[in-house]
Amino acid sequence: QKEVEQDPGPLSVPEGAIVSLNCTYSNSAFQYFMWYRQYSRKGPELLMYTYSSGNKEDGRFTAQVDKSSKYISLFIRDSQPSDSATYLCAMSFSSGSARQLTFGSGTQLTVLP
Amino acid sequence: DAGVIQSPRHEVTEMGQEVTLRCKPISGHNSLFWYRQTMMRGLELLIYFNNNVPIDDSGMPEDRFSAKMPNASFSTLKIQPSEPRDSAVYFCASSLDSLYFGEGSWLTVV
Repeated sequence: QKEVEQDPGPLSVPEGAIVSLNCTYSNSAFQYFMWYRQYSRKGPELLMYTYSSGNKEDGRFTAQVDKSSKYISLFIRDSQPSDSATYLCAMSFSSGSARQLTFGSGTQLTVLP
Repeated sequence: DAGVIQSPRHEVTEMGQEVTLRCKPISGHNSLFWYRQTMMRGLELLIYFNNNVPIDDSGMPEDRFSAKMPNASFSTLKIQPSEPRDSAVYFCASSLDSLYFGEGSWLTVV
């Protein structure tokens, strides 16, 4: 069993839809949770960063962490074609520059105009 | 800042040849990571450096792979000899707190 599980999709939604992307993990020691967005033929870029349980909102994006269920989510409201990308969850045990991230395999999202 | 800079962006080489991938991290970042991404295995950490010192190379697949960081502004990942199964996208990333990726080096070994 992988430490971090993520449905690879692909997921296709109409423009304006609410998108829900999810990851589950097995190691309860993970404390820091991130979502990366990767456009085609580009490197991943950090989208959201949260610590421990709770919600964090940034514009149309909301990251949610439920440590009791070992489950994290990324919600995208009013999805746009420009949101079409692969979304990777990532998590780590600690903060700081030298921490190692464990990545999910990524969910490919297409938002249709 | 220009971000993490990787070269070459694309490389096609024949099996058995040596491949050298290069990375310039973001100035001031003290950690550098090399990742490999494939459809089958996703994003895998190969090795990471902290203050130019290799900390964990347990992800390096075999002795054909080696990485160096001679100074704070440059790192290389070398594959010698290369094999078709090494075909992948190789990402360099640097970090002070959050991780920033380069645009990747797309390697095809034929």
